[in-house]
Amino acid sequence: EPEVTQTPSHQVTQMGQEVILRCVPISNHLYFYWYRQILGQKVEFLVSFYNNEISEKSEIFDDQFSVERPDGSNFTLKIRSTKLEDSAMYFCASSDGQGYYGYTFGSGTRLTVV
Amino acid sequence: GNSVTQMEGPVTLSEEAFLTINCTYTATGYPSLFWYVQYPGEGLQLLLKATKADDKGSNKGFEATYRKETTSFHLEKGSVQVSDSAVYFCALSDLNTNAGKSTFGDGTTLTVKP
Repeated sequence: EPEVTQTPSHQVTQMGQEVILRCVPISNHLYFYWYRQILGQKVEFLVSFYNNEISEKSEIFDDQFSVERPDGSNFTLKIRSTKLEDSAMYFCASSDGQGYYGYTFGSGTRLTVV
Repeated sequence: GNSVTQMEGPVTLSEEAFLTINCTYTATGYPSLFWYVQYPGEGLQLLLKATKADDKGSNKGFEATYRKETTSFHLEKGSVQVSDSAVYFCALSDLNTNAGKSTFGDGTTLTVKP
């Protein structure tokens, strides 16, 4: 069964450093998303991406965040200057039907900011 | 805006007990409804879905029926197993929302004891 692949599985970074979280969505999917989960509970929307541009972003997705699809297969989330409160699990998801039929999620990247 | 309210957990059951996890929603349009499951240390997996009123989603013995009149999508299973121990998330995706952003409930932790 097709999978969404995320790397790394765990990233530890110092406050103020830049991090890039990487995702390889399912190849024939057109809609891509980043969510984050703090303390293993609340799943929060960050951004959606379609046709090489951001479709929607949440209030969490401020100027320190950016997304790219640099080569037609990878989908990256960059955090420019990490803060302690950015520590969370970050999940990439993709969908072939605008999210209407559900997502396929990756296994996540655990980001720890120290 | 859209919102999802789930029954608070944690829920602890004995093996072979009947499971109900309540979920109600508020949406401005005509959403699809989902249940996702997250096993310890893993990402979210789509468990079942329903895209219109009165649809029943089912998978792995779990069922949920889209009730528009009560704006509910309760998850049920007739006989739970230890392997069903996980966090369960109710979610909706609204076509009126650009690119199909999903809104998640807070999650309900289920523990099944032998």
